[in-house]
Amino acid sequence: EAQVTQNPRYLITVTGKKLTVTCSQNMNHEYMSWYRQDPGLGLRQIYYSMNVEVTDKGDVPEGYKVSRKEKRNFPLILESPSPNQTSLYFCASSRGTSGGIGREQYFGPGTRLTVT
Amino acid sequence: GENVEQHPSTLSVQEGDSAVIKCTYSDSASNYFPWYKQELGKRPQLIIDIRSNVGEKKDQRIAVTLNKTAKHFSLHITETQPEDSAVYFCAASNYKLTFGKGTLLTVNP
Repeated sequence: EAQVTQNPRYLITVTGKKLTVTCSQNMNHEYMSWYRQDPGLGLRQIYYSMNVEVTDKGDVPEGYKVSRKEKRNFPLILESPSPNQTSLYFCASSRGTSGGIGREQYFGPGTRLTVT
Repeated sequence: GENVEQHPSTLSVQEGDSAVIKCTYSDSASNYFPWYKQELGKRPQLIIDIRSNVGEKKDQRIAVTLNKTAKHFSLHITETQPEDSAVYFCAASNYKLTFGKGTLLTVNP
């Protein structure tokens, strides 16, 4: 079954404790991306990756890191989480094109993160 | 960077009526405009998309129009049904994907 998986689905942590949210897709997609969703603010892109070893900032990258060492995986790293990073996080993937995204994004199930 | 404005933020219609959601974007380089539907507690799912070389696209009860000159695009849902109730997001993309803040659509039986 074609899918995007994220782990963990729920996480409660404390300020400053490094954490990683994993994302994996089995569709051989070139493009992967992370979003955060907050009430009243919609979905905001954190980072995206056009392919292996190619990553770039989205609209809200501060406080986050990513890496793309393999095509299927795109982990999101919070080196020193703060309460303002409490949010619902979605990973997504799609086929890439030469002119940009241009394809349907397939979203993972979401990770609800609470930082106290 | 890109800025996407979406209106209205809430929309309530009677079953069978039409619903229209409008978005504007700022970056003329944006070339892909998807619309996503998100039901409560679920992930966003694509319902229709349009590329910058197309002015209109239709899929059954859903249609999207794009005016590149004015930098605005709209979602039209006809013959609305209660199961159309959800939050709808427009987005504009080149390489980055920027979403509007969403429209909560309620279809009353």
